[in-house]
Amino acid sequence: NAGVTQTPKFQVLKTGQSMTLQCAQDMNHEYMSWYRQDPGMGLRLIHYSVGAGITDQGEVPNGYNVSRSTTEDFPLRLLSAAPSQTSVYFCASSSPTGLNGYTFGSGTRLTVV
Amino acid sequence: GIQVEQSPPDLILQEGANSTLRCNFSDSVNNLQWFHQNPWGQLINLFYIPSGTKQNGRLSATTVATERYSLLYISSSQTTDSGVYFCAVPPLRSGGSNYKLTFGKGTLLTVNP
Repeated sequence: NAGVTQTPKFQVLKTGQSMTLQCAQDMNHEYMSWYRQDPGMGLRLIHYSVGAGITDQGEVPNGYNVSRSTTEDFPLRLLSAAPSQTSVYFCASSSPTGLNGYTFGSGTRLTVV
Repeated sequence: GIQVEQSPPDLILQEGANSTLRCNFSDSVNNLQWFHQNPWGQLINLFYIPSGTKQNGRLSATTVATERYSLLYISSSQTTDSGVYFCAVPPLRSGGSNYKLTFGKGTLLTVNP
């Protein structure tokens, strides 16, 4: 049972490039979300999904797109990378009741130069 | 939105000492989660605790929802307890559903041998 798998673990982009961060879970969780973590800021929600075909914005959505075509996958797309998007990105999944809490992926460390 | 404050921001202990971490939140919540982020960046769910007290080994957590706070107790601390401890709550009027969480800024715990 892999849990939540994020790829890649590290990435360096040039300003203006685009890329997709992948996230997959094998726990059949309805809820999935993307957070970014910056020093001194805790974790901030970028986008979330409550099921296949349903997504919504979180606290810091600008510059990011998401889609949820299947229960298992929830990719995060950076449309035109900016240095302000340098961060560590975490994907998480949860059942609606949350009795087992959130499960996080191992994170993607992204640097935009 | 709901505000989450954690204290203290930093804590240094000698191995074997006990500690209490606090999480205050600005409004009534239906659940609360505690997470540990180890020095390698991995986020682990410790407790899902809407109210009352739960224990898991040397760690226990208590949430008093009516007074809007939660406490995380670490007894007989070990160097492996080092890392950042976060608490997180769902949005107001979500019925406790976990589709998104608001995180505190965390408590950085260092346990020295």
